[in-house]
Amino acid sequence: DIQMTQSPSSLSASVGDRVTITCRASQGISNSLAWYQQKPGKAPKLLLYGASRLESGVPSRFSGSGSGTDYTLTISSLQPEDFATYHCQQYYSTTVTFGGGTKVEIK
Amino acid sequence: EVQLVESGGGLVQPGGSLRLSCAASGFTFSRYWMHWVRQAPGKGLVWVSRIKTDGTDTIYADSVKGRFTISRDNAKNALYLQLNSLRAEDTAVYYCSRETSYSGSYFSDSWGQGTLVTVSS
Repeated sequence: DIQMTQSPSSLSASVGDRVTITCRASQGISNSLAWYQQKPGKAPKLLLYGASRLESGVPSRFSGSGSGTDYTLTISSLQPEDFATYHCQQYYSTTVTFGGGTKVEIK
Repeated sequence: EVQLVESGGGLVQPGGSLRLSCAASGFTFSRYWMHWVRQAPGKGLVWVSRIKTDGTDTIYADSVKGRFTISRDNAKNALYLQLNSLRAEDTAVYYCSRETSYSGSYFSDSWGQGTLVTVSS
């Protein structure tokens, strides 16, 4: 299985901060990467797919980039509703795998 | 509006069995591959299983292969996960999710709220 290493596991930030989360795959995944946001007690919500394609309805302050094995989720200006856990997922292989998650907390 | 509603979770003893259900509405269920994903308390998401539109093709994570069975009933717009030989490490919230319609892409664009399975004596 392709292993996904997500970092950091948690971070503290303030409203208005620029936040960057990274995900590294154990092998190249050809941009077959999705990002999800999950709030406590709630289901994950799709944010981006194809490494950089924004899901319909997702604010443009969320963006994704990367290639090969290394990918990044950026929140350009953190909003109060963005405090949540973020998960990356590779879907290059049919046995999809997730990163360990990054919890974004209020500083 | 796409809706996925899981049910069937609960407390079960090690070695026991449980059947989870996921009721789908708001879309043409029979046209979508479906997944089960689980999340242990305080942990990350772990993919469990995937099933083809007509139920003829299934795939499982190694950790559940031979113990769990995914199935679906398109006439009832329902997805199922039969959990057998349960272990403490199977304790988790189980989510059903709809796979995107983009060909060759296996990410999920809609998720249910989950059902909690607790394996304990």
